[in-house]
Amino acid sequence: AQKVTQAQTEISVVEKEDVTLDCVYETRDTTYYLFWYKQPPSGELVFLIRRNSFDEQNEISGRYSWNFQKSTSSFNFTITASQVVDSAVYFCALSEAGTAGNNRKLIWGLGTSLAVNP
Amino acid sequence: ETGVTQTPRHLVMGMTNKKSLKCEQHLGHNAMYWYKQSAKKPLELMFVYNFKEQTENNSVPSRFSPECPNSSHLFLHLHTLQPEDSALYLCASSQIQSFSYEQYFGPGTRLTVT
Repeated sequence: AQKVTQAQTEISVVEKEDVTLDCVYETRDTTYYLFWYKQPPSGELVFLIRRNSFDEQNEISGRYSWNFQKSTSSFNFTITASQVVDSAVYFCALSEAGTAGNNRKLIWGLGTSLAVNP
Repeated sequence: ETGVTQTPRHLVMGMTNKKSLKCEQHLGHNAMYWYKQSAKKPLELMFVYNFKEQTENNSVPSRFSPECPNSSHLFLHLHTLQPEDSALYLCASSQIQSFSYEQYFGPGTRLTVT
């Protein structure tokens, strides 16, 4: 069965600290996609990254980086030198590729609420 | 122009009222989605439209009625709601209906049913 676990419900850090948000997933498919979204207090979910199961290279985008490890079924997200504007709820999600014409759902984690304090 | 807009942003309604939520996307996408977000629960997919045709209805009660007149607009008509329907309702769009594509979300409508 598909499942996404974000074990950290809430994290609080002081500005400029590095912080890692964990995401562990379960799937029986060999082809799947993983996503991270950010939900600031304004409400909209903002797409951050998509990674397919065949691309295990880590990704860096500015202060954001993602570590995908199939061996541990994890897709962790690190914010370096955190800022107050990073305060938000962060969601990890999983989609299996499915068969042709069969569109599967996105399976969402419960989110990690990150508070970055000045 | 913001990618996906939703109106109203906040709505308070009684259980006997009828109201509608509106979503508009300016991204040229062909698929649109309604989600319900409640506290301490995973995001729940409600409806999916692909090229204006409804392709998914995840056992949503009939008091929620979607409408998609074109690929850019999506409505959610509400009637005879229950207090447990209070939640944030999010609209999203994607290039095509495939969950391997990223979705773009609106800011949501915070609904309170009294």
